[in-house]
Amino acid sequence: SQKIEQNSEALNIQEGKTATLTCNYTNYSPAYLQWYRQDPGRGPVFLLLIRENEKEKRKERLKVTFDTTLKQSLFHITASQPADSATYLCALSSGGSNYKLTFGKGTLLTVNP
Amino acid sequence: NAGVTQTPKFQVLKTGQSMTLQCAQDMNHNSMYWYRQDPGMGLRLIYYSASEGTTDKGEVPNGYNVSRLNKREFSLRLESAAPSQTSVYFCASNGKTSGTGETQYFGPGTRLLVL
Repeated sequence: SQKIEQNSEALNIQEGKTATLTCNYTNYSPAYLQWYRQDPGRGPVFLLLIRENEKEKRKERLKVTFDTTLKQSLFHITASQPADSATYLCALSSGGSNYKLTFGKGTLLTVNP
Repeated sequence: NAGVTQTPKFQVLKTGQSMTLQCAQDMNHNSMYWYRQDPGMGLRLIYYSASEGTTDKGEVPNGYNVSRLNKREFSLRLESAAPSQTSVYFCASNGKTSGTGETQYFGPGTRLLVL
């Protein structure tokens, strides 16, 4: 069956460092992969999308890589700040007109001042 | 634009009671979704509607029904609530983000407690 794993439930880093979150998948051929941010008590908010034929995407301090051979995506936040503390969710889609997503369980990132 | 709105924000039910969770979006999106989120389980798809007039089961549909009332509204009904349905429910719609592609927009969630 399809499986999506985010490497750790929680990650603690020091302010100013780069946070790296991992998303691995099995039994899946995603057309694209997305990353969302979720703050406590709120709905997820879209951050970045990367397609199967793309290796890397950037948006301000955020960078996503996608390796379909390794079946892995890495999500980086550079120069991290306490305001980056949140749960980050990885989601995959196999494409199609229904745009269904399958989500990982998320990684709780805490950036310490 | 209000985006995706959900009502109620919080609800307590007794086992066996029924209720309907309401969701509306004002972004003219075709596809809408209902998820539940439980600790340690992540977001799981209950039902979705790819377009007005169609609905399909997701990963965990048992105990739920849905109605796509029109393009804007997608409701989730619990006919006979059970404690296992205690969860946070999120509604989402799918649309194109400029320069990016198809992404989902989520509502604020409904926190449901079934006693």
